[in-house]
Amino acid sequence: DQQVKQNSPSLSVQEGRISILNCDYTNSMFDYFLWYKKYPAEGPTFLISISSIKDKNEDGRFTVFLNKSAKHLSLHIVPSQPGDSAVYFCASKGAGGSQGNLIFGKGTKLSVKP
Amino acid sequence: ETGVTQSPTHLIKTRGQQVTLRCSSQSGHNTVSWYQQALGQGPQFIFQYYREEENGRGNFPPRFSGLQFPNYSSELNVNALELDDSALYLCASSSGTRGVELFFGEGSRLTVL
Repeated sequence: DQQVKQNSPSLSVQEGRISILNCDYTNSMFDYFLWYKKYPAEGPTFLISISSIKDKNEDGRFTVFLNKSAKHLSLHIVPSQPGDSAVYFCASKGAGGSQGNLIFGKGTKLSVKP
Repeated sequence: ETGVTQSPTHLIKTRGQQVTLRCSSQSGHNTVSWYQQALGQGPQFIFQYYREEENGRGNFPPRFSGLQFPNYSSELNVNALELDDSALYLCASSSGTRGVELFFGEGSRLTVL
């Protein structure tokens, strides 16, 4: 059973508009959440993270929101740029788990059209 | 600063063979994790090495094994290859402190025929 779910396999957005990528998780023991971006033929690149003690973290055009009661997080990209076109993975880490043990969703492919 | 490097980038094996994949961690990082990414799936945790010992393992059988060397580089070995082992194998390194962010290499694409 998937513990981290990204229910939208793809998302298409116009350049300059907002992109919202969603992620749901099932385990309330998860205490840290991350977003990774992956271009074809490259490894995933860390984008932004959030601790479970916060509900928002912002870094430039990227903002992650965490709703613990709903076990839901989202990544907002404003404004979206064509270079943002990639697969975005949501990942989580459980408290007490080994540092390298991240649980990933299946990813959402974002296409930003000029 | 040197990033995570993996070799080989692509390889083809036949069922039943054995394979070794290699990873050099990012400079200053002493922890290495290995992930398997099947087509259309997210990366799945195989195991982690810290101070040359395995200190965390995902739901993978014992034919998946690894090593970490004193220079923090690492190997992933898979014995008795099965068709379902065809995947992208990703190595990630981290500093071993409280930081959780992993830094990934480009991966090794394994095809089992």
